[in-house]
Amino acid sequence: SQTIHQWPATLVQPVGSPLSLECTVEGTSNPNLYWYRQAAGRGLQLLFYSVGIGQISSEVPQNLSASRPQDRQFILSSKKLLLSDSGFYLCAWNIAGGGDTQYFGPGTRLTVL
Amino acid sequence: KQEVTQIPAALSVPEGENLVLNCSFTDSAIYNLQWFRQDPGKGLTSLLLIQSSQREQTSGRLNASLDKSSGRSTLYIAASQPGDSATYLCAVRSGTYKYIFGTGTRLKVLA
Repeated sequence: SQTIHQWPATLVQPVGSPLSLECTVEGTSNPNLYWYRQAAGRGLQLLFYSVGIGQISSEVPQNLSASRPQDRQFILSSKKLLLSDSGFYLCAWNIAGGGDTQYFGPGTRLTVL
Repeated sequence: KQEVTQIPAALSVPEGENLVLNCSFTDSAIYNLQWFRQDPGKGLTSLLLIQSSQREQTSGRLNASLDKSSGRSTLYIAASQPGDSATYLCAVRSGTYKYIFGTGTRLKVLA
């Protein structure tokens, strides 16, 4: 069966510090991968998606970037965090080319102080 | 631009009651609609997926319907239990990789 992991689970970082969040999927090959942010009282906002290694699409301009160095690894980064980057970050995957159900990881709670 | 709305934002019901959660979307050109459950501080768990050509899907005590022409979906929960307490989110797939989420309905089932 497929499993999706995210780490760290929680993170407190000062403004201006760098960020690296990691997501890995097990039990499937060539998944579509997604990064979402969930701010308090708001819906999930799609940040990035990837259909393959090295292929990243950004949905909104922001202070963040994403990379996919391996088939089942998706990384969310920032060089300098802003207060507005605080939120709950969720990674998700679905089957490439037809599977529509999205499966989510446990999330990372990021607090920028 | 697709927008997804869920009303009410919060709901409290006594145990055993049947209830309906609502989801509406502004653009009927969708591929599918998915209902999720989110427990506090956790990720999302997929409950039901309805393709645009389908009218409803059922899983156990859950039944989701889709009326694409009117831009509405409902999630029906039968015989609610305290364990059903969570936030319920709907999401529409309106592009190949584009999923738009509602802000959710926070459900509390009282024992």
